[in-house]
Amino acid sequence: GQNIDQPTEMTATEGAIVQINCTYQTSGFNGLFWYQQHAGEAPTFLSYNVLDGLEEKGRFSSFLSRSKGYSYLLLKELQMKDSASYLCAPMDSNYQLIWGAGTKLIIKP
Amino acid sequence: TAGITQAPTSQILAAGRSMTLRCTQDMRHNAMYWYRQDLGLGLRLIHYSNTAGTTGKGEVPDGYSVSRANTDDFPLTLASAVPSQTSVYFCASSDRDDNEQFFGPGTRLTVL
Repeated sequence: GQNIDQPTEMTATEGAIVQINCTYQTSGFNGLFWYQQHAGEAPTFLSYNVLDGLEEKGRFSSFLSRSKGYSYLLLKELQMKDSASYLCAPMDSNYQLIWGAGTKLIIKP
Repeated sequence: TAGITQAPTSQILAAGRSMTLRCTQDMRHNAMYWYRQDLGLGLRLIHYSNTAGTTGKGEVPDGYSVSRANTDDFPLTLASAVPSQTSVYFCASSDRDDNEQFFGPGTRLTVL
């Protein structure tokens, strides 16, 4: 079956760095997406990895290891506005996104 | 650019009644999707459409139907609502070339 595993909740301090891990099992693989979702709002795109390695985009970076079925999202210089849920979503062989339940990130001053 | 819109924003519906959730995108995306999101669970795909005129079943299609008469619109119909269909419903669209999905603002539906 298809499965996504990411921590339910994480807490970090403003200005710090946090890494949100995601492990996945899918039927086929066509890349992995990370989305951010603030409470009461729609998910918004953060990153897409299809090859192994690190993709950096400003304060956010995303890493992929296809052989390990593993990805992480790295957030640097945390700001209060980064308090949100972060959704890991690999794409299967049918180009459908398989969504994890998300990691709720709480930022404390 | 409006992007992708949904209506209504929220709705309270009596069990047994029918309802259509509307979704419209102006990005000329080929693919459109309907998800439901429940507390503690990931987004679950209800139905999808890869192109106008075609639809497919997702993970949780029972009790829902869709149509895709044109590129822009993708309505979701609940023929006879039940309380377990209480959820937040998101419509999304994507272009075949890059697969990034853009989401509408969601419809919060309560079935009593």
